[in-house]
Amino acid sequence: QSVLTQPPSVSAAPGQRVTFSCSGSNSNIGSNYVSWYQQVPGTAPKLLIYHNNQRPSGIPDRFSGSKSGTSATLGITGLQTGDEADYYCATWDSGLSVSVFGGGTKLTVL
Amino acid sequence: QITLKESGPTLVKPTQTLTLTCTCSGFSLTTRGVGVAWIRQPPGKALEWLAVINWEADERYSPSLRSRLTITKDTSKKQVVLTMTNMDPVDTATYYCAHLPSFAYYFDYWGQGTLVTVSS
Repeated sequence: QSVLTQPPSVSAAPGQRVTFSCSGSNSNIGSNYVSWYQQVPGTAPKLLIYHNNQRPSGIPDRFSGSKSGTSATLGITGLQTGDEADYYCATWDSGLSVSVFGGGTKLTVL
Repeated sequence: QITLKESGPTLVKPTQTLTLTCTCSGFSLTTRGVGVAWIRQPPGKALEWLAVINWEADERYSPSLRSRLTITKDTSKKQVVLTMTNMDPVDTATYYCAHLPSFAYYFDYWGQGTLVTVSS
């Protein structure tokens, strides 16, 4: 069971907007930055968002991140079939002194 | 350009000790604030953080695996090594190493991963 809670799946049509939720606690999301990763099956995870809402160079602005309290959200606009992947949130847990991941959300682009 | 590459056995027997090596390039393991972590993913399951070592060689471990893990680094070889004792079939997973940038807890560069199967 993951420390951070993510819904197992989400689906949307091409061109639409989708959001992914990530829920934690005061010791992790509530007091630390959140990052998001995209993992296409069979490949290594790729950093999409760091420090809650910052995009690394090369990540299009269709991807956005936000945080409020003990929850974080990843948003993707203008969905493309190539966005089909698993999406993971992660943060540091100050109580455990470890990094923690969510269980991942599988995106299906219908 | 930062790259990381994992290497080690693809098959280990139950009770054996696994040793994985992460060979790093494009950065120094002694640069202030930098870290390298190990993360694994059982087939079809979620990512699981295992351990991290930073530029000062401070180590942190997953509480559930602490007694079985050791992370070390060889700065001259630019390698980070993870050992896991008493391997079990449930430890079958793809093992990744990843770079943490200066004083941050996110993973900006990942290795390609190496699949380790535990079976007799």
